[in-house]
Amino acid sequence: GDSVTQMEGPVTLSEEAFLTINCTYTATGYPSLFWYVQYPGEGLQLLLKATKADDKGSNKGFEATYRKETTSFHLEKGSVQVSDSAVYFCALREAGGADGLTFGKGTHLIIQP
Amino acid sequence: GAVVSQHPSWVICKSGTSVKIECRSLDFQATTMFWYRQFPKQSLMLMATSNEGSKATYEQGVEKDKFLINHASLTLSTLTVTSAHPEDSSFYICSARDRAQYFGPGTRLLVL
Repeated sequence: GDSVTQMEGPVTLSEEAFLTINCTYTATGYPSLFWYVQYPGEGLQLLLKATKADDKGSNKGFEATYRKETTSFHLEKGSVQVSDSAVYFCALREAGGADGLTFGKGTHLIIQP
Repeated sequence: GAVVSQHPSWVICKSGTSVKIECRSLDFQATTMFWYRQFPKQSLMLMATSNEGSKATYEQGVEKDKFLINHASLTLSTLTVTSAHPEDSSFYICSARDRAQYFGPGTRLLVL
């Protein structure tokens, strides 16, 4: 079945550091890929998405590129802020399947001033 | 943006009792809602897909008689954990689909 693997946390960085959170997936066909963010005490929010190979999703300074050859969708940001501290989930939705998402375990990101 | 609420946000109950969790889309209508379950330090696992006016579709391994889902209106889906046991203690999250999937804040269930 489908699966998503993302790097274990917590990841602790200093403000203005470069961020990479790795995400790889296993799926049949051509899934859509997503990054969700969960701030403390809030529900999951869609951060960005990509629906086909080589697509780049971007939002709020975050980027991720759909790499089919490496089955990856790594999340990056050039300069993180304290307000980026949250839990980040990589997820996929099977192409042509039900709309339920398959999630990774989540990566807790802590940004220190 | 679209808002999804859940009620209650946390609940403690005795083993053998039933617990109902509500999921509401506050500013949009959702023909499809989803229920997920999350164990500590684990992924969100899709439990079932809830379609308004029809029976829910359960994922493999999820007991439909244990987790009753009702989606009676376009803004409300409920999950009832029947005869709850300590192993049902978990974090339950719903989402509702508009143009994208919007998630509720989750309900933490503790069964004693």
